[in-house]
Amino acid sequence: DAKTTQPNSMESNEEEPVHLPCNHSTISGTDYIHWYRQLPSQGPEYVIHGLTSNVNNRMASLAIAEDRKSSTLILHRATLRDAAVYYCILRDGSGATNKLIFGTGTLLAVQP
Amino acid sequence: DADVTQTPRNRITKTGKRIMLECSQTKGHDRMYWYRQDPGLGLQLIYYSFDVKDINKGEISDGYSVSRQAQAKFSLSLESAIPNQTALYFCATSPGLAGARQETQYFGPGTRLLVL
Repeated sequence: DAKTTQPNSMESNEEEPVHLPCNHSTISGTDYIHWYRQLPSQGPEYVIHGLTSNVNNRMASLAIAEDRKSSTLILHRATLRDAAVYYCILRDGSGATNKLIFGTGTLLAVQP
Repeated sequence: DADVTQTPRNRITKTGKRIMLECSQTKGHDRMYWYRQDPGLGLQLIYYSFDVKDINKGEISDGYSVSRQAQAKFSLSLESAIPNQTALYFCATSPGLAGARQETQYFGPGTRLLVL
């Protein structure tokens, strides 16, 4: 699976937008970009995924660069409950494992 | 009720003991996974199962074994626990859709294991 690079940590203020970047310069044409987050003392949870077009759901938006070598997870109004580690993961689905390869992610701190 | 449950949530054991961590799911998913997370790191895949008769090794299977007793149950065993197996263990499930690249995994709350 191709590798992703994320900042180790970011800070945001409550009720402000947050842009979490992810670089994936070796992405292949069939790789999907997935985001998961892990709240303190919990298991990871799915946030959003996309292939080429920008995506929106109730949790967040995903902006994908035209060359697909980077993407940005957007939380439109951060809340204290959004404080978590955010993982950007590439999924090619090839082979049999269907596994998620987690890096170290970005630790998001939200200040009141 | 949670869709993916893990028991126990916390466990302290001694070196050399055999222990079992259990995972149950009510999502009706065919695929189940066991991951390990060390402090400050991401998750690593230990074993995975695509159906009741299917068991596969992940990246770090040495020292672990699994049993898929039913579609809803997937157990992880440490045959002879050692201190460097102290970690957070997560079970996950996925539906086994044809489009694997889009498939979402659903995680349990984790089991915190301490091996003395």
